[in-house]
Amino acid sequence: ETGVTQSPTHLIKTRGQQVTLRCSSQSGHNTVSWYQQALGQGPQFIFQYYREEENGRGNFPPRFSGLQFPNYSSELNVNALELDDSALYLCASSPTRGEGYEQYFGPGTRLTVT
Amino acid sequence: GEDVEQSLFLSVREGDSSVINCTYTDSSSTYLYWYKQEPGAGLQLLTYIFSNMDMKQDQRLTVLLNKKDKHLSLRIADTQTGDSAIYFCAEGSGGSYIPTFGRGTSLIVHP
Repeated sequence: ETGVTQSPTHLIKTRGQQVTLRCSSQSGHNTVSWYQQALGQGPQFIFQYYREEENGRGNFPPRFSGLQFPNYSSELNVNALELDDSALYLCASSPTRGEGYEQYFGPGTRLTVT
Repeated sequence: GEDVEQSLFLSVREGDSSVINCTYTDSSSTYLYWYKQEPGAGLQLLTYIFSNMDMKQDQRLTVLLNKKDKHLSLRIADTQTGDSAIYFCAEGSGGSYIPTFGRGTSLIVHP
């Protein structure tokens, strides 16, 4: 059974640019959540997708957007990058919508904005 | 203030017990979680407890919940160097149970 994978591992972007991060959920999981983890902080919930529809959103501006595909993989898109967007972005999949205790996290994508 | 608070650092000797403490503010919390994060890795769910429980034991891990004081603790028995990591407390409530995380406690285990 393959776990949650994310790509790329590391990414460096310039302020104002756009970025797309990718996540493949664990086999059999139909729900994907995205988190932002700034240095020295706990993860902050960005949004969740369930069967290709957004199923909840944290306190993040609209320039953070996402997609979930029919195979339940997902993308996180961030437009107009700001320096404060530098963080580890974590994806987590779960077999059931909203069941936080069954979330399985990927290793994350480290984004640096210069 | 923060919804979930933890002390930032804990240093213990190998073989001793570690106790990591956490306080939370949301009285409607349904699930309380402990996650572990090792360098360069994602989060690993260690254990969770329902809010109607006051204790849960899982091998070397013991979770204690004082719902009245909104205090959660994680005890690791016979701490090993491999337990060195950042431990996050989180609470989930409402229909989605999306966890709200603390800032994490960095556990350092020295020989």
